[in-house]
Amino acid sequence: DAGVIQSPRHEVTEMGQEVTLRCKPISGHDYLFWYRQTMMRGLELLIYFNNNVPIDDSGMPEDRFSAKMPNASFSTLKIQPSEPRDSAVYFCASSLTSGGRTDTQYFGPGTRLTVL
Amino acid sequence: GNSVTQMEGPVTLSEEAFLTINCTYTATGYPSLFWYVQYPGEGLQLLLKATKADDKGSNKGFEATYRKETTSFHLEKGSVQVSDSAVYFCALSFSGYSTLTFGKGTMLLVSP
Repeated sequence: DAGVIQSPRHEVTEMGQEVTLRCKPISGHDYLFWYRQTMMRGLELLIYFNNNVPIDDSGMPEDRFSAKMPNASFSTLKIQPSEPRDSAVYFCASSLTSGGRTDTQYFGPGTRLTVL
Repeated sequence: GNSVTQMEGPVTLSEEAFLTINCTYTATGYPSLFWYVQYPGEGLQLLLKATKADDKGSNKGFEATYRKETTSFHLEKGSVQVSDSAVYFCALSFSGYSTLTFGKGTMLLVSP
């Protein structure tokens, strides 16, 4: 099993540019999560999907952030325009509902975003 | 609301020392409890979990017991190795709900 795949692993961009982060969940998983990790705020849940439908986006910090899941094997997190305070590591995770439980999440390696 | 509190780090130990990382939680009801580990430059990995009171999760020499009476899930290892240096996250979730509530993480540094 390839695990959760994220790309790119590192992204350096200038303030004002659009940034798109990509995620491929584990095949067959029905939940997908986007997290952001910073030293100051720790690990924050941004948004999650169930069967490609966004369920809760209350963690998305601003309208500059948007996420989509066009199919079961692909999701994107877009920041437009980017700002230096968006610099962080962004993680994607997926999980599978089994017997009514959806609790074990599998994380990707993360994308380290630096906005100059 | 639900919350998880972990001891602040970094925890610095010599190789072969005994490890305890404290974790307590606040929740309505009886959640499932987890320890995740994050090695440098990597994503989080599930280390162990327990789904009901008095359950003991174990993996790679690490153990944690779900204590309902003290609402705790402390992580222990009898003899740490340099390769255990990482950040450890305690988390909870409820059956039927998909989201995890994480603690802030505790960094462990093990020196030879």
